[in-house]
Amino acid sequence: DIVMTQTPLSSPVTLGQPASISCRSSQSLVHSDGNTYLSWLQQRPGQPPRLLIYKISNRFSGVPDRFSGSGAGTDFTLKISRVEAEDVGVYYCMQATQFPLTFGGGTKVEIK
Amino acid sequence: EVQLLESGGGLVQPGGSLRLSCAASGFTFSSYAMSWVRQPPGKGLEWVSVIGGSGSGTYYADSVKGRFTISRDNSKNTLYLLMNSLRAEDTALYYCAKHDLGKAFGPWGQGTLVTVSS
Repeated sequence: DIVMTQTPLSSPVTLGQPASISCRSSQSLVHSDGNTYLSWLQQRPGQPPRLLIYKISNRFSGVPDRFSGSGAGTDFTLKISRVEAEDVGVYYCMQATQFPLTFGGGTKVEIK
Repeated sequence: EVQLLESGGGLVQPGGSLRLSCAASGFTFSSYAMSWVRQPPGKGLEWVSVIGGSGSGTYYADSVKGRFTISRDNSKNTLYLLMNSLRAEDTALYYCAKHDLGKAFGPWGQGTLVTVSS
């Protein structure tokens, strides 16, 4: 199974400042079809997860442009350019390159 | 608007069975793979199972293989998860999710809570 490791576990951020979350996979996420199926999800308190980014860097419908994804192979990053109060929650990376699909353990973004 | 509505959760004794349902609307249901994902209280996300749009391909997490069965009825736009031989560690909020762009999980339902306890 592909293990997804996220750092940090928790990220206290000042409003208006940037935040960055790292996700590392135990093996390359490049699929045989050439795509890399790495996505990022946000889970606000008491809410179901919400898709932010798919295939490393593509923002899903309705996602603000302050969210961006980057990376390749086994190392990926989610960045929030200027954190807003509504961004508080837990963020997960997920790989869909290989079964079983696996998630990172989550990174909690909170306001200082 | 895509909507997913899970139902069927509840309290069940260890060894018991439960069938979850997920009613889908707002998209061509038969065109999309669907998954079940669960989240134990206060913990992270765990993928459970996936089924192809036509219902022909299914995969399971090792933790549920042989006990859970995923199925779908495209005429009713409904996804199912039959859970047998339930264990305390199956206690979780169960979400259904649509495989969207880049095989990522698009809109999610609100989930249905399964509690396995005597």
